[in-house]
Amino acid sequence: AQKITQTQPGMFVQEKEAVTLDCTYDTSDQSYGLFWYKQPSSGEMIFLIYQGSYDEQNATEGRYSLNFQKARKSANLVISASQLGDSAMYFCAMRGDFSGGYNKLIFGAGTRLAVHP
Amino acid sequence: NAGVTQTPKFQVLKTGQSMTLQCAQDMNHNSMYWYRQDPGMGLRLIYYSASEGTTDKGEVPNGYNVSRLNKREFSLRLESAAPSQTSVYFCASRIGGVVHEQYFGPGTRLTVT
Repeated sequence: AQKITQTQPGMFVQEKEAVTLDCTYDTSDQSYGLFWYKQPSSGEMIFLIYQGSYDEQNATEGRYSLNFQKARKSANLVISASQLGDSAMYFCAMRGDFSGGYNKLIFGAGTRLAVHP
Repeated sequence: NAGVTQTPKFQVLKTGQSMTLQCAQDMNHNSMYWYRQDPGMGLRLIYYSASEGTTDKGEVPNGYNVSRLNKREFSLRLESAAPSQTSVYFCASRIGGVVHEQYFGPGTRLTVT
């Protein structure tokens, strides 16, 4: 069965430092994709970054990068130069062949990140 | 360009009452989705619509119905609300094809007493 595991319920980091949020996944699909979403205290879900299983290079979007290790089935989010506004809940999600091409997503339980000044 | 909009933002229902959550997108997206988020958990898919005129069940469809009214609008109906349906409901849309990102609305916080 497909599953996303985020083992860090909470993390904190000093402003301007880098932080890694962990995500492991389980799937038997050959074609799949991993997402990271940010949910600030206001509640909206903000798309951050996407990595396809066949993408050869790790995805990057500004200060966000996805450390994709296919053999280990991990898709960790790295935030560089943390800012106070990065304090939020972060969700890892996966789409796969199980979704029938319709991009049904499975989400992890999330990691709450607190950035300290 | 408002993106994905949801109404209402908040709602309190009594057990057994019915209501419809509205969702609209102005991005000309083909696929639309309804998720629920319970406290301390990630989102779970209730129903989705791959394209106008089609709908299908997700992970937790029991107690819900949906209507894809047109390409822009996708509504979620609770026929007889139960306390277990207390949750935050998110609508999302995606353009389709090889573009995988889903864009979410602001959510509706529903409490069933």
